[in-house]
Amino acid sequence: ETGVTQSPTHLIKTRGQQVTLRCSSQSGHNTVSWYQQALGQGPQFIFQYYREEENGRGNFPPRFSGLQFPNYSSELNVNALELDDSALYLCASSKGGGETYNEQFFGPGTRLTVL
Amino acid sequence: DQQVKQNSPSLSVQEGRISILNCDYTNSMFDYFLWYKKYPAEGPTFLISISSIKDKNEDGRFTVFLNKSAKHLSLHIVPSQPGDSAVYFCAGGGGGGADGLTFGKGTHLIIQP
Repeated sequence: ETGVTQSPTHLIKTRGQQVTLRCSSQSGHNTVSWYQQALGQGPQFIFQYYREEENGRGNFPPRFSGLQFPNYSSELNVNALELDDSALYLCASSKGGGETYNEQFFGPGTRLTVL
Repeated sequence: DQQVKQNSPSLSVQEGRISILNCDYTNSMFDYFLWYKKYPAEGPTFLISISSIKDKNEDGRFTVFLNKSAKHLSLHIVPSQPGDSAVYFCAGGGGGGADGLTFGKGTHLIIQP
């Protein structure tokens, strides 16, 4: 059984640029959630995708957007990068469609640094 | 507004003793709670969960207790082992799970030999 994978591992961008982060969900999982973890904080929910549609969203501006593909992999896109976007971005996959609680399995994360 | 609070940034426990990690929450809508463990350079790993209708759940060395009236939960690890040294996150989830998990800031547990 393949776990959740994320790419790239690290990324450095400058303010105003755009970035795309990628996530492959665990085998058998059809739901992907994205979280932002700033230094010294817990992960903060960005949004969740189920059946290629956004299924729930946290308190993040529209410049944070995502996609889910038919194979359940997902992308997180951030436009007009700001210094405060520097963080660890975590992807988590789970079974089910958000209608019932399912344990979320996390990937290792992508460390984004915005200069 | 922090809906899940872990007030102890760090905790040091001797190997073989009991580790008790605490978590408080303010959102009464949480249906379930989870504990995750995180090593540096890795993603959080699920440890144990508890439904809001229960007051205790046990899995091997890990037990989670929920006190709904106090809006408090705790994770007990007994006996503590060196490999338990990590950051522990408490998280709450709402009905349906579509709103994602709300995490605390974490407690760094250090197991001393």
